Amino acid sequence: AQTVTQSQPEMSVQEAETVTLSCTYDTSESNYYLFWYKQPPSRQMILVIRQEAYKQQNATENRFSVNFQKAAKSFSLKISDSQLGDTAMYFCAFLNRDDKIIFGKGTRLHILP
Amino acid sequence: GAVVSQHPSRVICKSGTSVKIECRSLDFQATTMFWYRQFPKQSLMLMATSNEGSKATYEQGVEKDKFLINHASLTLSTLTVTSAHPEDSSFYICSARGQRNTGELFFGEGSRLTVL
Repeated sequence: AQTVTQSQPEMSVQEAETVTLSCTYDTSESNYYLFWYKQPPSRQMILVIRQEAYKQQNATENRFSVNFQKAAKSFSLKISDSQLGDTAMYFCAFLNRDDKIIFGKGTRLHILP
Repeated sequence: GAVVSQHPSRVICKSGTSVKIECRSLDFQATTMFWYRQFPKQSLMLMATSNEGSKATYEQGVEKDKFLINHASLTLSTLTVTSAHPEDSSFYICSARGQRNTGELFFGEGSRLTVL
């Protein structure tokens, strides 16, 4: 069975610091998509970043970047210069060949002023 | 990006009544939409995949007769919670896949259902 594991239920960092959220997944597929979604208190799901498994280059979106290690099945998210507005629940997700997205349990991130 | 609108955002109903939640793709056609349920401080649990013009595909453990899904057009899917009970109280979220095959899902704002 395909699974997505986020081992950090909750994290807190000071504003302007860098924080890394970890994610591992398990699959036998060779091509797939990985995502990080953000769910702020409003509960609207927002796509943070997307990675295609066949691309070796790590995806980057402004202050957000990933460290994609395909062999290790690891997909961590780094947030640089963290801002108060980054406070949210972050979900790592995997898109399987059945076109279903599997979410991890989430990491609650608090950015402290 | 593509916009998905969900309505109502909040609904309170009495036990035994039915509630309908709508999910619309506003600026694109969505042949496939997904319905999720989210309990407090938990992840999203996929309930069913809604396919335009055909029956929905339900995940294991989800009651088809309890959660009726209709995808009558390329821009609208509805979830009807029938004979609702307090244990059906939850946050329900829909999503739709964009037209470009990037795998990205666009999410509605979610609907909080409270059954008294």
